[in-house]
Amino acid sequence: QLQLQESGPGLVKPSETLSLTCAVSGDSIRSSTYYWGWLRQPPGKGLEWIGSLYYSGSTYYNPSLKSRVTISVDTSRNQFSLNLSSVTAADTATYYCATSTGISYGWFDPWGQGTLVTVSS
Amino acid sequence: QSVLTQPPSVSGAPGQRVTISCTGSSSNIGFGYDVHWYQLLPGTAPKLLIYGNTKRPSGVPDRFSGSKSGTSASLAISGLQAEDEADFYCQSYDRGLSGLVFGGGTKLTVL
Repeated sequence: QLQLQESGPGLVKPSETLSLTCAVSGDSIRSSTYYWGWLRQPPGKGLEWIGSLYYSGSTYYNPSLKSRVTISVDTSRNQFSLNLSSVTAADTATYYCATSTGISYGWFDPWGQGTLVTVSS
Repeated sequence: QSVLTQPPSVSGAPGQRVTISCTGSSSNIGFGYDVHWYQLLPGTAPKLLIYGNTKRPSGVPDRFSGSKSGTSASLAISGLQAEDEADFYCQSYDRGLSGLVFGGGTKLTVL
């Protein structure tokens, strides 16, 4: 059974880079079955897709965040990562990692529990 | 503003049936992209309820059902139970934005 778990700092200073990791268990991150994605939910607001990565290395980013986002994979550790640069208070959110079966027709399942990241000095 | 529009809240008494709408446009739902639904409970991982407009993952009760018509989709919950109280989100793809999009979320209150 595929399981995901997010980890990373809970507090990031404005203008710095937010870095999170998602550990994958139950299958290989090299599997061609999945796309590996990041999503977030600011306090009191709705869900937002950040981006997704395919095992081949192809990446797909939300156009509104594309200039600041990098999603990468570490096959040796069976995990993938999110880097979001030049953060502001608007980037404060619960960040989730999740798998999907595709981009244009895919759905997210399963999800990690989520990790709250606060941007503050 | 979210690309997909959901009512902020719905409510119903135990045992009743409620529906949650998800309205899009010709660049997402109306173009033919599938709609998927999720349930969010505080402190827990989001749960997939409906995928591919109408399909239920294994383990999701048949009290939950999805439908799609034109530029809209709906999630119906019948036989409401107290534990159904949660936030619900619809998701699709938008070809104009070239990305995955969500509704603003609907809070279900079981009276």
